[in-house]
Amino acid sequence: EDKVVQSPLSLVVHEGDTVTLNCSYEVTNFRSLLWYKQEKKAPTFLFMLTSSGIEKKSGRLSSILDKKELFSILNITATQTGDSAIYLCAVGGGGADGLTFGKGTHLIIQP
Amino acid sequence: KAGVTQTPRYLIKTRGQQVTLSCSPISGHRSVSWYQQTPGQGLQFLFEYFSETQRNKGNFPGRFSGRQFSNSRSEMNVSTLELGDSALYLCASSRTTRQGGEKLFFGSGTQLSVL
Repeated sequence: EDKVVQSPLSLVVHEGDTVTLNCSYEVTNFRSLLWYKQEKKAPTFLFMLTSSGIEKKSGRLSSILDKKELFSILNITATQTGDSAIYLCAVGGGGADGLTFGKGTHLIIQP
Repeated sequence: KAGVTQTPRYLIKTRGQQVTLSCSPISGHRSVSWYQQTPGQGLQFLFEYFSETQRNKGNFPGRFSGRQFSNSRSEMNVSTLELGDSALYLCASSRTTRQGGEKLFFGSGTQLSVL
């Protein structure tokens, strides 16, 4: 059974801090790892990673995948209160079970 | 370009009733997936439709069913509702079937409460 574990489950930091969110996985026939941000209801797409060691970057957010050690990290630098959200990690495998999601990291940025 | 649209936004039902949820994907997207999100279990895959055919199904009982129309719009039905069906039901669309490694775009969900 495919499994995705995110840590920490919750995190409270101050504005301006840098945070690192972790995602480890076990999946059959790995195809992709995706990060989503969920603020209210609709998860919004952040990154899709398929190749090991290649960093994806968008503004203050970046992510990297390690296919050998089966994990990914999401970094957010110079955090702002608008970064407060649940960050979801999901893995797509070669099976027929859709994306497997982790439980998410609830990030709270205090002013 | 309009995003994924789900209706209704909120629903309150009682045990034993049935419910139908609707999802309109992004224009040009042919794959629609449904997920159930609860505080305890997180997001769990229900099923995926592509070109009006169910391609994949998650580990949910047969009370959960769906269909897709020729315009790619999809409906999800839950019969004989149970208290444990209370959840946020999210629909996601992509250009092709997810197994191709496509990223999913999610709607805002339908919040279902079963009393």
